[in-house]
Amino acid sequence: GIQVEQSPPDLILQEGANSTLRCNFSDSVNNLQWFHQNPWGQLINLFYIPSGTKQNGRLSATTVATERYSLLYISSSQTTDSGVYFCAVEEYGFQKLVFGTGTRLLVSP
Amino acid sequence: EADIYQTPRYLVIGTGKKITLECSQTMGHDKMYWYQQDPGMELHLIHYSYGVNSTEKGDLSSESTVSRIRTEHFPLTLESARPSHTSQYLCASSEFGMGTGPQHFGDGTRLSIL
Repeated sequence: GIQVEQSPPDLILQEGANSTLRCNFSDSVNNLQWFHQNPWGQLINLFYIPSGTKQNGRLSATTVATERYSLLYISSSQTTDSGVYFCAVEEYGFQKLVFGTGTRLLVSP
Repeated sequence: EADIYQTPRYLVIGTGKKITLECSQTMGHDKMYWYQQDPGMELHLIHYSYGVNSTEKGDLSSESTVSRIRTEHFPLTLESARPSHTSQYLCASSEFGMGTGPQHFGDGTRLSIL
């Protein structure tokens, strides 16, 4: 099956810093989604981004499907950005998501 | 904000009990999913459904079962709970269409089997 790798596994930032999270996948995908899981375990869909670039406030994401990777940018980080960021992909012909192992982000004041 | 609800939020129960985790959504989504997640780890798909009377097993083998009698309701049942079932269970839904649309998650049920 498809492999989804995320880097870095852990990231510690000072409030106000910028960061880039990466998601690599091993095969062609039908779509890619980014999620944020907060410290209470709630999972929020950030982006549905099979290709191209999208922006939502301080967050933006870019997927380069031909090169099998996606990037999530966080600008001017805040303590509320802390948690785990998951990338998930759907292989062609499989109507279900495969999740990466996540990037654990801690933003300190 | 997605309208998908899971109950209970937390459950601590003894070995051998029958458990049903509830999941309901008010968005009219055809596709629903159950994931299992150990603390700090990735999510693993255990069951999914494309609509009423449709259920499929996911990538991770699970002793649980599901049913889909109504579009809005997708309960998960464990007939006889064991300590190995201790985990967080997350329910999600998405619109029907080609592929998996944006998935929206409930708040999860943290299950602890003593």
